[in-house]
Amino acid sequence: QKEVEQDPGPLSVPEGAIVSLNCTYSNSAFQYFMWYRQYSRKGPELLMYTYSSGNKEDGRFTAQVDKSSKYISLFIRDSQPSDSATYLCAMMLAGNKLTFGGGTRVLVKP
Amino acid sequence: GAGVSQSPSNKVTEKGKDVELRCDPISGHTALYWYRQRLGQGLEFLIYFQGNSAPDKSGLPSDRFSAERTGESVSTLTIQRTQQEDSAVYLCASSSGLAGGYFQETQYFGPGTRLLVL
Repeated sequence: QKEVEQDPGPLSVPEGAIVSLNCTYSNSAFQYFMWYRQYSRKGPELLMYTYSSGNKEDGRFTAQVDKSSKYISLFIRDSQPSDSATYLCAMMLAGNKLTFGGGTRVLVKP
Repeated sequence: GAGVSQSPSNKVTEKGKDVELRCDPISGHTALYWYRQRLGQGLEFLIYFQGNSAPDKSGLPSDRFSAERTGESVSTLTIQRTQQEDSAVYLCASSSGLAGGYFQETQYFGPGTRLLVL
C-alpha cells in the first residue's frame, strides 16, 4: 500500500464548476500538507499548504485537512480552462522530505 | 532567467551508458532537491543538499545513482549503467535554506529532464 493514495482521474468538469480533489494517507505522523499544480511538461508549483487539521482558503482554492480520517481535500471554485493540469498532494514529516501522491489529472472544458 | 533551470531537457540513451543531469538552482538558494517522476506517477524524493553537503540521500534507488553539488550552486545527478526502469522525468527544486531547508520554505521546481533509456 502506498503511503499516499490519490485517484489518477482524469476528472473532467465544465467551466465554472467546483473541482473536488482528495488524497488519503496512512502515516499519522505527517504534519504538513501541500497541494501542487503541474502543467504538462513543467515542474510542479506550490498552490496551498496547511499544518495539521483545518481549512485554508486562498482565492478560489480551499484546502482541508482531516487528520483523524487521514484525508485531505482541495476545492477549486469557479473553475477555468486554465485550471486544467495535474494536481499533486504532498505531505511532510518534520524536516523537508516530501511524500507525493500520484496526481489527479483535471480537465476543465469551456 | 530567475528560475530553476535543468539541462538537458531531453536525453535518450542506450541501456548501460552513463548519464549526467544538471541543475542550476535559483541564485542564492542553499537548499537543493532531486526528485524522480515516472510516467503517470507522483514525485519520488531522491536526495537533498544543504550547501554542498547531502544530509539526506535516502531516496537514491541504488548505488548506480549519485549526486554532487559544488560552489553551493550547480548540482549534477549521475546515473551509471542506465537501465530501462530509469526512464523518467528527473526534477530539481531549490529553496532559500534560510530555515535550514525545512518545510516553511517553498520549493521551486525546474522543468525537468526527460530521460529515456532504450
